[in-house]
Amino acid sequence: EIVLTQSPATLSLSPGERATLSCRASQSVNSYLAWYQQRPGQAPRLLIYDASNRATGIPARFSGSGSGTDFTLTISSLEPEDFAVYYCQQRSNWPLTFGGGTKVEIK
Amino acid sequence: EVQLVESGGGLVQPGGSLRLSCAASGFTFSNYAMSWVRQAPGKGLEWVSAITGSGGGTYYTDSLEGRITISRDPSKNTLYLEMNSLRAEDTAVYYCAKHGTGWYGLVYWGQGTLVIVSS
Repeated sequence: EIVLTQSPATLSLSPGERATLSCRASQSVNSYLAWYQQRPGQAPRLLIYDASNRATGIPARFSGSGSGTDFTLTISSLEPEDFAVYYCQQRSNWPLTFGGGTKVEIK
Repeated sequence: EVQLVESGGGLVQPGGSLRLSCAASGFTFSNYAMSWVRQAPGKGLEWVSAITGSGGGTYYTDSLEGRITISRDPSKNTLYLEMNSLRAEDTAVYYCAKHGTGWYGLVYWGQGTLVIVSS
């Protein structure tokens, strides 16, 4: 099973700041990595698929990069609605796996 | 508009069984793979199981294999998850989700159904 490790666990930032979230895989997942956002009380929402492709309707301030074992989700300028938990997920190997999540909180 | 509506959750005793359903609409159901993902209270997401659009391929997380069965009924546009020998640690919100083409991501999610395993 591929283990995804997200860091940091919590990121404390102010609106307008840049957020950089990391996801590291225990073995190569090529570019088969997705990012999701989950707000409190809501279902997750797909942001990025295959490392760097924004899903439909996702604002341009969200971007993804990386390949192999190291990936980054960047939010260029935090909006109030971006304070949430973010998860990465790989589809390179079965079983599919999620990272433990990064909470982006208001500083 | 794509809609996924889960049902079948509730309170069940340890060792019991439950069948979750997910009614799908707004897309050609048999064209897309589907997954179940769960989230224990206050915890992260855990992928549980997936099934191909045709239903011919099924996949399970190692920790649950043998206790769960995923299936789909194209005539009812419905996805199912049968769970047996339930344990307290199976308590979670169970989401169904629709994959994009080629498994590229879980594009649409239902609102989830809560399963509580307790005596």
